[in-house]
Amino acid sequence: DIQMTQSPSSLSASVGDRVTITCRASQTINNYLNWYLQKPGKAPKLLIYAAFNLQSGVPSRFSGSGSGTEFTLTISSLQPEDFATFYCQQGYSSPLTFGGGTKVEIK
Amino acid sequence: QLQLQESGSGLVKVSQTLSLTCAVAGESISSGGFSWGWIRQPLGKGLEWIGYIYPSGSTDYNPSLKSRVSISVDMSKNHFTLRLSSVTAADTAVYYCARDLTSGAFDIWGQGIVVTVSS
Repeated sequence: DIQMTQSPSSLSASVGDRVTITCRASQTINNYLNWYLQKPGKAPKLLIYAAFNLQSGVPSRFSGSGSGTEFTLTISSLQPEDFATFYCQQGYSSPLTFGGGTKVEIK
Repeated sequence: QLQLQESGSGLVKVSQTLSLTCAVAGESISSGGFSWGWIRQPLGKGLEWIGYIYPSGSTDYNPSLKSRVSISVDMSKNHFTLRLSSVTAADTAVYYCARDLTSGAFDIWGQGIVVTVSS
């Protein structure tokens, strides 16, 4: 199985901050990397697919980059509704696997 | 607008079979060429992919569950079903169904259903 490692596991930030979350795969996954946001009690929401493609309806403050084994999710200006847990997930090979999550909290 | 809704028993006894259905509304499950999947999340923990059913009807399962899991589709009812046999307390989780937009990216999710395995 491909292991997905996210860092940090949690962070504190303020509204307006630029936030970066990193995801590392245990082997190359080309660009088959997706990012989700999950709020408590809710299903995950797809933000970015295939490393850098913004899902329809997702604000442009979210962006994704990277390839191979190293990927980054950037929030250019953190908004109140962004305080949540973020997950990366590889779609390159079965079994699909998720990172452990990054919880973004209010500073 | 496409919507998914999980249903089934929220309480299952140890060693029995968990059975959940995902109803698809707003789109025919047989059109569009999408794959449909199940993902679960133990309370307070991370996400685990359970498996897929492809447009062809073939399936792919997480090896960690492969001997116990099956996913099937009923085109006439526009829903797909998860069965997980011989459940233990470790199978207690929120279970989500979802559509695969492309290459493992799940764009539409159900609201999730809590399943508790009890003795």
